[in-house]
Amino acid sequence: DVKVTQSSRYLVKRTGEKVFLECVQDMDHENMFWYRQDPGLGLRLIYFSYDVKMKEKGDIPEGYSVSREKKERFSLILESASTNQTSMYLCASSFLDRKNYGYTFGSGTRLTVV
Amino acid sequence: KQEVTQIPAALSVPEGENLVLNCSFTDSAIYNLQWFRQDPGKGLTSLLLIQSSQREQTSGRLNASLDKSSGRSTLYIAASQPGDSATYLCAVIGETSGSRLTFGEGTQLTVNP
Repeated sequence: DVKVTQSSRYLVKRTGEKVFLECVQDMDHENMFWYRQDPGLGLRLIYFSYDVKMKEKGDIPEGYSVSREKKERFSLILESASTNQTSMYLCASSFLDRKNYGYTFGSGTRLTVV
Repeated sequence: KQEVTQIPAALSVPEGENLVLNCSFTDSAIYNLQWFRQDPGKGLTSLLLIQSSQREQTSGRLNASLDKSSGRSTLYIAASQPGDSATYLCAVIGETSGSRLTFGEGTQLTVNP
């Protein structure tokens, strides 16, 4: 069964900490994405990557960075966590050219910053 | 800019009813439309994907239709069950958006026993 795996379901971090959220996919997808989801705001794209070492800003990149050193792994980094980054974070992947295969999502990471 | 709207925002029905969820999008130049299900506190599960050249897709009790020219899609759920209770999201990939999905806000469905 193909999968997008997010390393943690729940995380609690302190304000100012550097936080790493990890995502791994086993489908040989070129594209990988990080979204955050908040009540009333829906899903918002933070960053995406269409190739190793490539990254593109999404709609809300401020306060975040990403790393893609290997095709299967895409990391989201909160350089200095703040309480307004408390949210559900969702990772997704897709093929670059075969758009009719759609997106696959991970199970999400609920991050609480205290 | 592509915008996706889902109506209704919430729906509560008794078990056994057939129901329809609606999704509309403003730019008809799309590659595909994907319907997802999300349970509380969980990730998104893909239900159906309709390619732009297709009119509908079926999986079990679910049927999704696409009218690309009018910018509309519907998700039909037959004989609803309490286990169908979840939030349903539709999303499109536009021809000019690269690989980016544009999501609707979702319909929160409750099926009462």
